[in-house]
Amino acid sequence: ETGVTQTPRHLVMGMTNKKSLKCEQHLGHNAMYWYKQSAKKPLELMFVYSLEERVENNSVPSRFSPECPNSSHLFLHLHTLQPEDSALYLCASSQVPGTGELFFGEGSRLTVL
Amino acid sequence: QKEVEQDPGPLSVPEGAIVSLNCTYSNSAFQYFMWYRQYSRKGPELLMYTYSSGNKEDGRFTAQVDKSSKYISLFIRDSQPSDSATYLCAMKTSSASKIIFGSGTRLSIRP
Repeated sequence: ETGVTQTPRHLVMGMTNKKSLKCEQHLGHNAMYWYKQSAKKPLELMFVYSLEERVENNSVPSRFSPECPNSSHLFLHLHTLQPEDSALYLCASSQVPGTGELFFGEGSRLTVL
Repeated sequence: QKEVEQDPGPLSVPEGAIVSLNCTYSNSAFQYFMWYRQYSRKGPELLMYTYSSGNKEDGRFTAQVDKSSKYISLFIRDSQPSDSATYLCAMKTSSASKIIFGSGTRLSIRP
């Protein structure tokens, strides 16, 4: 496996469900990110972990809960989501300090019914 | 005013045409400028990267930064159907870790 891998690629959940998105990077990077991508909107940064410590949380609702157990793995735990949370959730990694170049996974397409 | 403005398109051009994609920005502290390409059902991938002002060329792709006008461009020469994708501009300052993205321009190259 190379690059950034995200699972599952597609997820459909009800508003009362609890699910998790998983991201794994094989690039030896020390920072990992969660982005939300909605139609016709810029990528929205949700969370940043650098050296396994959360360094940024962009006012994301508490129904999204990140977890970074080590520098290669990142999770996004989801509970009691709303239909407007339906989007493509992208994981990325980078090396910091550095140029800021992000390497993205293919994303997890989430649909909340 | 948004920090980064990008026309969402869609932009449709015939194969072989020169394509010009643009973004404007408001923060004069931006120093790093990037273009990402995103194919349907895939994550974005870095296409071009420029530091400060000037031009950078890579094959059929040229990135231009005009800091005085707060304007960046991506030119694609001899466009191919395989160039059909959404192109996202992105930028950051020297001190911040946060990258600011444009909303993306959807490009279609007609055979």
